[in-house]
Amino acid sequence: KNQVEQSPQSLIILEGKNCTLQCNYTVSPFSNLRWYKQDTGRGPVSLTIMTFSENTKSNGRYTATLDADTKQSSLHITASQLSDSASYICVVSASTGFQKLVFGTGTRLLVSP
Amino acid sequence: DTAVSQTPKYLVTQMGNDKSIKCEQNLGHDTMYWYKQDSKKFLKIMFSYNNKELIINETVPNRFSPKSPDKAHLNLHINSLELGDSAVYFCASSQVARTSRTGELFFGEGSRLTVL
Repeated sequence: KNQVEQSPQSLIILEGKNCTLQCNYTVSPFSNLRWYKQDTGRGPVSLTIMTFSENTKSNGRYTATLDADTKQSSLHITASQLSDSASYICVVSASTGFQKLVFGTGTRLLVSP
Repeated sequence: DTAVSQTPKYLVTQMGNDKSIKCEQNLGHDTMYWYKQDSKKFLKIMFSYNNKELIINETVPNRFSPKSPDKAHLNLHINSLELGDSAVYFCASSQVARTSRTGELFFGEGSRLTVL
């Protein structure tokens, strides 16, 4: 069964600190992995998309890693800001014809001043 | 300037009523989607249209009927609303549907439906 699990479910960190969010998946066959940021009351916004051959990708203070062998990904946030408070959703795309995305349940991050 | 816009943003209605949510994208994408986000914030695909053709139809009650008059619009009509339909519905679009290419997904701001 295709699944995407994220940990932790929620996280509170102090402004300026770093944090790492985890994503484990069992989606097969694998096509790509995406991280989205969803602010409260808004739609998800793409942070990174990684294919099988990519093992790291950065977008400003966000750095995503992918280990296709262990089927794990992480999202590292550097020097957190209050605006980083949001839900972070890991999404894995399966290569089954038309794009089929499997969503994780997200990690809720709260950056505290 | 809004890439994917959906209306209304909020919708409060009584059980048994029929309602519609509209979605438009000005990105020139060929594929549009409807997602449902429940109270636990889990996003689940409902429908996907590629060039006005239905390509994904997950296990959704037939009270939900999508309609795509053209590739820039995908509307969602819901008949006989039930309490369990209360959720946030997101429209999204992407340029490609096939997974051989990484079509980035652009989401609308969501439509919060509350059924009383």
